[in-house]
Amino acid sequence: GAVVSQHPSRVICKSGTSVKIECRSLDFQATTMFWYRQFPKKSLMLMATSNEGSKATYEQGVEKDKFLINHASLTLSTLTVTSAHPEDSSFYICSADGTSGTDTQYFGPGTRLTVL
Amino acid sequence: GQQVMQIPQYQHVQEGEDFTTYCNSSTTLSNIQWYKQRPGGHPVFLIQLVKSGEVKKQKRLTFQFGEAKKNSSLHITATQTTDVGTYFCAGPATAGNKLTFGGGTRVLVKP
Repeated sequence: GAVVSQHPSRVICKSGTSVKIECRSLDFQATTMFWYRQFPKKSLMLMATSNEGSKATYEQGVEKDKFLINHASLTLSTLTVTSAHPEDSSFYICSADGTSGTDTQYFGPGTRLTVL
Repeated sequence: GQQVMQIPQYQHVQEGEDFTTYCNSSTTLSNIQWYKQRPGGHPVFLIQLVKSGEVKKQKRLTFQFGEAKKNSSLHITATQTTDVGTYFCAGPATAGNKLTFGGGTRVLVKP
């Protein structure tokens, strides 16, 4: 149980284009999902907390107009990187709250974004 | 804000030896969680500790939560090549809050 999928796993795009990443909880409902960014050999940096049916909460320094988050259902959250630039190249990982009240998170396999 | 530090940043271990990695939070945690990320993979939940002084074991892995609930440790005995990866600790300042991850301990095993 507690499987989270992400799509796509890899994406290469040109500067200026927008890229949408999907995060799905496959066998459970997730009221809250989280979006992280991870640089090579570094820790996970929380970008935003996505709540179903409401606006996402962004961490300090993360541009909400740059990284659009939509949590339209209890099983799907999307992250759109708008007008991508090479510095946006990174590993983006989503996670979802597991069992209610435990705070544990189940991570998706991640999306490696390369902006040319 | 809350900060979580892990030491060492890198751990080179001879296969068969034991080692310990440490996690320290600037604030009291409601619980501490450990995750493992294999090279090229994503973090996988290992365990959660909730009670002050709690100790839990998973085969060769022993996890401990400090009495003050501000630090934790992971001890691995008889290291194997399958233990290669980065171990992250993470904790919320309050239950139900977002997780703050430590910087991770990257474990390399020498056969």
